[in-house]
Amino acid sequence: GIQVEQSPPDLILQEGANSTLRCNFSDSVNNLQWFHQNPWGQLINLFYIPSGTKQNGRLSATTVATERYSLLYISSSQTTDSGVYFCAVEPILTGGGNKLTFGTGTQLKVEL
Amino acid sequence: KAGVTQTPRYLIKTRGQQVTLSCSPISGHRSVSWYQQTPGQGLQFLFEYFSETQRNKGNFPGRFSGRQFSNSRSEMNVSTLELGDSALYLCASSADQGYEQYFGPGTRLTVT
Repeated sequence: GIQVEQSPPDLILQEGANSTLRCNFSDSVNNLQWFHQNPWGQLINLFYIPSGTKQNGRLSATTVATERYSLLYISSSQTTDSGVYFCAVEPILTGGGNKLTFGTGTQLKVEL
Repeated sequence: KAGVTQTPRYLIKTRGQQVTLSCSPISGHRSVSWYQQTPGQGLQFLFEYFSETQRNKGNFPGRFSGRQFSNSRSEMNVSTLELGDSALYLCASSADQGYEQYFGPGTRLTVT
């Protein structure tokens, strides 16, 4: 099956710093999403971005589908940005239906 | 629109028992997927239902089953519970294959 690798696995930032999270995937995809998992376990949708670039406030994301990677940018980080960030993909050849494959996540901690 | 809801939020069961979890998707969404999250295995796909039919299935034993009703609400059942079934169970809804998936708050199952 498709492989999804996220880097770095852990990241500690000072409040106000910027960061870039990376997601590499091994096959062509028709769905790529970034999520933030809060301390209670809920996955919060950040971006639905199978290709191109999107921005939402301090967050932006870019997916280069031809090179099989996606980047999530966090600018002016805040303590509330702490948590785990997941990249999830759905390969084109799934045989039909939804089936997201998740990376192992990036654990982000933002300190004062 | 109301988000994805899951019940119950927390559950404690004994080995050998069975459990049923419920998921109500976003209004108008016909696809419901289930995922298991554990510290050791991360987020793994269980199965997906669309219009009352299982459309996709992950690599889990037959003790894990599900169904979907005509109103798109879905249930998953785990029979003969094992300690290793302790996990956060998340369901996601979407309009169809390749569309953005939205996750519920999860059901945290503890098997003792």
